[in-house]
Order: sequence, then C-alpha cells, then structure tokens
Amino acid sequence: AQSVTQLGSHVSVSEGALVLLRCNYSSSVPPYLFWYVQYPNQGLQLLLKYTSAATLVKGINGFEAEFKKSETSFHLTKPSAHMSDAAEYFCAVSTNYGGATNKLIFGTGTLLAVQP
Amino acid sequence: SQTIHQWPATLVQPVGSPLSLECTVEGTSNPNLYWYRQAAGRGLQLLFYSVGIGQISSEVPQNLSASRPQDRQFILSSKKLLLSDSGFYLCAWSVGGSAGRGFFGSGTQLSVL
Repeated sequence: AQSVTQLGSHVSVSEGALVLLRCNYSSSVPPYLFWYVQYPNQGLQLLLKYTSAATLVKGINGFEAEFKKSETSFHLTKPSAHMSDAAEYFCAVSTNYGGATNKLIFGTGTLLAVQP
Repeated sequence: SQTIHQWPATLVQPVGSPLSLECTVEGTSNPNLYWYRQAAGRGLQLLFYSVGIGQISSEVPQNLSASRPQDRQFILSSKKLLLSDSGFYLCAWSVGGSAGRGFFGSGTQLSVL
C-alpha cells in the first residue's frame, strides 16, 4: 500500500524567506510523486511531478522538489516566498505505477501563510 | 484543449435531502474520471473512479454513489445526505498511462445543515 505524510499542517514564512514543505512517502513500488496547490476557492493545480527521471524537479511559480529515495522524501521548496504563494499544498503519490487508473493518494495538506 | 466543468460551485442542502453533482470533460475521449472529497481539516480522499462508461469503483464505503452515463460525464449522488457529507468535492480526469497527471475541476463546496 502507498501513503503520503505531510509534516506540518500549517507553515508560516515571511515574504522573501525560504519555503520548505515536507512530504514523506511510503511505497512498495517505485513511486510517482506530485505536488498540487489549491488557492482559495479554486480547484487543484499541478505544481510539479516526479516520474523516475531527474530527481530534482522544477515546477511552476519557482517551486521545485527533490526526490530522495534514501529518505523516502519529496520536499517542496522555493527560495523566496511571495505573498501570492499563500495557499494549501498537497503532496500525492500515484497508486498505479505504469498502470491505467492513475489513482492518487494525497497527504493531508499544508496551509502556507506568507507574512509581509 | 481539454477542459473540465463541475457544478454547482456551492451548495447548501438539508440533512436527508438528495444530492447530484455533475462533472463533464471536454476535449478528450475515454478519460479516467475521479471524485475526491476534502473534508474540513482533512486531506483529499478518493471516493470513486471510473475507467469507462458504467464502470465505477468505490474506494471507501459511504453514503454516496457515482455513475457514468456517458464517456465524459461523471455524477456524484446521494439519496439522503448526512451532516458528515459536508465538504469540498473535486472532480478530476486523466488519460490512462499519463503517470497520474490529473486535471481537476474547480470544486463544489457542499454544506449539509
């Protein structure tokens, strides 16, 4: 079975500071990993994904994540936070490696607040 | 281009009333379709998924059901809503083999009172 753990349901950073959102996964097969962002009153948007290619994945809006197999982690980072980054972020793992159904298992989410 | 429509955006329903949320996809054929729920203070949970017309898989036992009457239409229903059905419901689609890249609708905020 696969699972995702997001450490910290709420993270607050100052504008311009480093953003680090933690995600650890558990998977019996090589995982596909994703970060999604949900802005207030909007649906989910894919930020970035890891699908067994480069371990450092770059996404939209300056975010990136590094797949570390030894640590079973896929933490999301951004060097400098912007006010517009305030949102809820979800880490997810795909349950069907190479399969057709592409079900996603989500973490519980991390709400990012950016202080001026 | 592919788009996904989900409605209504918000819904307030009394306990015991029926529910019907609809999701349609444009610009693709034979998509995998999904219903997720985000309950207050909790993460996203996969409720149902469908790989074809009339094919529904339920991930968790609950008071809800899903149907797929057409290739690009996915409906979430309930005969009698419970308070615990309140939450944010998201419809999503993907193409088989696309490594889990899902495209999500804008969601429906359901409040059961």
